[in-house]
Amino acid sequence: GENVEQHPSTLSVQEGDSAVIKCTYSDSASNYFPWYKQELGKRPQLIIDIRSNVGEKKDQRIAVTLNKTAKHFSLHITETQPEDSAVYFCAAKYNQFYFGTGTSLTVIP
Amino acid sequence: DVKVTQSSRYLVKRTGEKVFLECVQDMDHENMFWYRQDPGLGLRLIYFSYDVKMKEKGDIPEGYSVSREKKERFSLILESASTNQTSMYLCASSSGTSGEQYFGPGTRLTVT
Repeated sequence: GENVEQHPSTLSVQEGDSAVIKCTYSDSASNYFPWYKQELGKRPQLIIDIRSNVGEKKDQRIAVTLNKTAKHFSLHITETQPEDSAVYFCAAKYNQFYFGTGTSLTVIP
Repeated sequence: DVKVTQSSRYLVKRTGEKVFLECVQDMDHENMFWYRQDPGLGLRLIYFSYDVKMKEKGDIPEGYSVSREKKERFSLILESASTNQTSMYLCASSSGTSGEQYFGPGTRLTVT
């Protein structure tokens, strides 16, 4: 089955700096790649997603890039704010969703 | 607004008990999923269902079963709870077309 690896597991940045989280996947049939944000004690919430026919997608301060050839995709957060502090999960989907192990992002004021 | 609800936020059970976790979604989604979330392991799929009375094993189905008698409801059953099933359990649903998954608030199960 699919294997999704996510790095780094923890990330600390200064407020205003950028944060980048990377994921790789193994199954070239995967065609949908969502990113979820999970704040402490809350449910995961979709923040951005990308499909395999698109290379990049942006939504205000967040963007996702997909390299199908290399089988990796990345989440980019610019101008980070303290409220961006959370655990972020990537996932890859063909028939079912496969999740990365999560990145704990801390934005230091 | 999509709403996915779970029957309990916190649950404490004894070893050997039969445990029922229930999930309900109100968006007429075809697909429903049960995950467990453990620190450092991310979300691991236990079972999923693409239709009423249909179920598929995920990556870690051992010790669990599921039931989907109605489209909006997906139940996870721990036949005989064990301490290694202490975890956060998350239910999710998605439509067959968009693929976007919506999660419930989670049930933190402790087995003593």
